[in-house]
Amino acid sequence: NAGVTQTPKFRILKIGQSMTLQCTQDMNHNYMYWYRQDPGMGLKLIYYSVGAGITDKGEVPNGYNVSRSTTEDFPLRLELAAPSQTSVYFCASSYLTVNQPQHFGDGTRLSIL
Amino acid sequence: KQEVTQIPAALSVPEGENLVLNCSFTDSAIYNLQWFRQDPGKGLTSLLLIQSSQREQTSGRLNASLDKSSGRSTLYIAASQPGDSATYLCAVITGYNSGGSNYKLTFGKGTLLTVNP
Repeated sequence: NAGVTQTPKFRILKIGQSMTLQCTQDMNHNYMYWYRQDPGMGLKLIYYSVGAGITDKGEVPNGYNVSRSTTEDFPLRLELAAPSQTSVYFCASSYLTVNQPQHFGDGTRLSIL
Repeated sequence: KQEVTQIPAALSVPEGENLVLNCSFTDSAIYNLQWFRQDPGKGLTSLLLIQSSQREQTSGRLNASLDKSSGRSTLYIAASQPGDSATYLCAVITGYNSGGSNYKLTFGKGTLLTVNP
C-alpha cells in the first residue's frame, strides 16, 4: 500500500493565483484531514472529513476550500493565494473513528511570493 | 481553548541514555492523546495513542503515560539510539461527538531530540 500520497511536493505561487493540493489514500480510511505546519507554530487543522460528501472546518479554514467526492481523495483548494498561506501542508487519514492513529503524507511545501 | 505545551523544546543526549519527553494540556476533557515522530522533510508517524480511559501504552522501547486529571503525558524512550533523533510531537483530541462535528485536534510544538553516537 502507498498510504497517503500528496502532490505536488513543492510549489511556488504568485499572490492571487489559485491551486489545488491533491491528497489520496489507499487504506479505505473514513477520516481525512488537512493541516498546515508553520515554523515554531506546530500543526493546525484546516479542514477534515468523516466520509465522502461530509466536510467540516478546523481551526484555520479561512482562505481554503475542500471537497470529498470519494473515500480516497480529499483535495485542498486555495482560491486567491496570499503570502500568509506560505507553509507546509500535510494530509492525513485514519480509520473509522477518532480513536485510531492518523497516517500522514510527506507534505506539500508551498511558497507564495 | 486547549493549549498543548511540550518541554523541553530541544534535548541532546548520548547514545544509550533513557530519556523522558513531557507534554501538558490545559483542558482535561480529551478523547485521546497521541505521540508522533517527525523526521526532517517528512510527515508525521504515529508512535502511540492513549485513549482517555487508559493510563499508558507501550511499543518496543517506547512507553507513554497519561494522567488526564493533571493534564500531563510523558513519553519514555529506553536505551536511546542515534536513529531516534527526530522531532517528537504530542496531540490531543477534544470536543469530538459521535456525529463527527466539533472535532478539535491540538498539537504541541514538539521536542527536537538529538541522540549522539
